[in-house]
Amino acid sequence: NAGVTQTPKFQVLKTGQSMTLQCAQDMNHEYMSWYRQDPGMGLRLIHYSVGAGITDQGEVPNGYNVSRSTTEDFPLRLLSAAPSQTSVYFCASSFSPSTRNSYNEQFFGPGTRLTVL
Amino acid sequence: AQKITQTQPGMFVQEKEAVTLDCTYDTSDPSYGLFWYKQPSSGEMIFLIYQGSYDQQNATEGRYSLNFQKARKSANLVISASQLGDSAMYFCAMREGPNFGNEKLTFGTGTRLTIIP
Repeated sequence: NAGVTQTPKFQVLKTGQSMTLQCAQDMNHEYMSWYRQDPGMGLRLIHYSVGAGITDQGEVPNGYNVSRSTTEDFPLRLLSAAPSQTSVYFCASSFSPSTRNSYNEQFFGPGTRLTVL
Repeated sequence: AQKITQTQPGMFVQEKEAVTLDCTYDTSDPSYGLFWYKQPSSGEMIFLIYQGSYDQQNATEGRYSLNFQKARKSANLVISASQLGDSAMYFCAMREGPNFGNEKLTFGTGTRLTIIP
């Protein structure tokens, strides 16, 4: 299993540009989420999905869109990039009904480092 | 109010010594889970240990143990016999609600641990 994969690893954008961060998992996990990590602030939840076709907002959703058309994929779209969106973005997944355990930890992708100029 | 508080921005510990990383949390939900993740300099998030609010015993995983004091709302991570490879950022996180159906994590700001040879 590849686990959770994210592309690209690095990206530089100009203010106002749009782009999509890709996330995929091959563990048949129902739950997927996007976090951003900023210095001194830990990880903050942007959007999450509890299954295909179902998404909801997290703590910091403004400026981002998501969709979940398949169980495996959960792309994050930046509509009009701003310097405040410079961050490291992590995708995570958890909960497969076939392998549920008592704590159901989230598995994280390797991250995408985004710089907006 | 902060839901997860990690009061130690950085710690320096001599190799082979035990180290305690502090984490306090705030929730009114009787059902919750507490997680610790390690983030080495390479950037990935590695799950270490979990404690459920109804667990009767403190969690242990190899050299990691969790000192769970429910009345004080603290969930400190203890690393025994520290190694150079333990140098990393450590995050405490909480999930409120039952194990399944609510996978949103709230993270603390992290503690950077440096092991001195």
